[in-house]
Amino acid sequence: QVQLQESGPGLVKPSQTLSLTCSVSGGSINGGDYYWTWIRQNPEKGLEWIGYISYSGYTKYTPSLNSLVTISVDTSKNQFSLRLNSVTAADTAVYYCARIPRLHGSFGWFDPWGQGTLVTVSS
Amino acid sequence: DIVLTQSPGTLSLSPGEGATLSCRASQSLTSNYLAWYQQKSGQAPRLLIYGASRRATGIPDRFSGSGSGTDFTLTISRLEPEDFAVYYCQQYGSSRMYTFGQGTKLEIK
Repeated sequence: QVQLQESGPGLVKPSQTLSLTCSVSGGSINGGDYYWTWIRQNPEKGLEWIGYISYSGYTKYTPSLNSLVTISVDTSKNQFSLRLNSVTAADTAVYYCARIPRLHGSFGWFDPWGQGTLVTVSS
Repeated sequence: DIVLTQSPGTLSLSPGEGATLSCRASQSLTSNYLAWYQQKSGQAPRLLIYGASRRATGIPDRFSGSGSGTDFTLTISRLEPEDFAVYYCQQYGSSRMYTFGQGTKLEIK
């Protein structure tokens, strides 16, 4: 079955860029049946959806992060990535990647999820 | 944006009892596009229910979802020790955006 695994630095300095990668195994990131998403979780905001991307590069982001976030896809590596610019302490969170099934005319739930990776923003 | 409000915040029950968790949306959900997740400490959320009432693969039948419009319920018929966790609802499909509820913690009494 499909498995997702996040990777990247666990510590980022304030004002710098957070970069994470999600590696997909057990299935191809190609094709129109699924989209791929990033979510984060911290005690202050709970679970927060960040954005998603299709295999062809179509993206949508949550409005509060729209100017700061970029999600990209590398189909040759079966990976997708997250970049979050100008981070502050408020961006400290566990970051998850997950898969979204494409429904008729819409998008579905998140399943499966990666195990998550803690990113701390601190100098 | 659609806001999801879960209640209660914490539910204290004993194994063997039944649990009822509520999720209320600030506006009616398209096609009942509501999911429920279970999260245990140190783990990622796990999908339990989608489409308000459809169990995900491998989820025991003691978990059931119901509701429509703005009011949704997750019911656990007979609590097992492994069911004590935090439960989240999520709406999907609305403007292709996503929001989560704040969670209900199910703890052992």
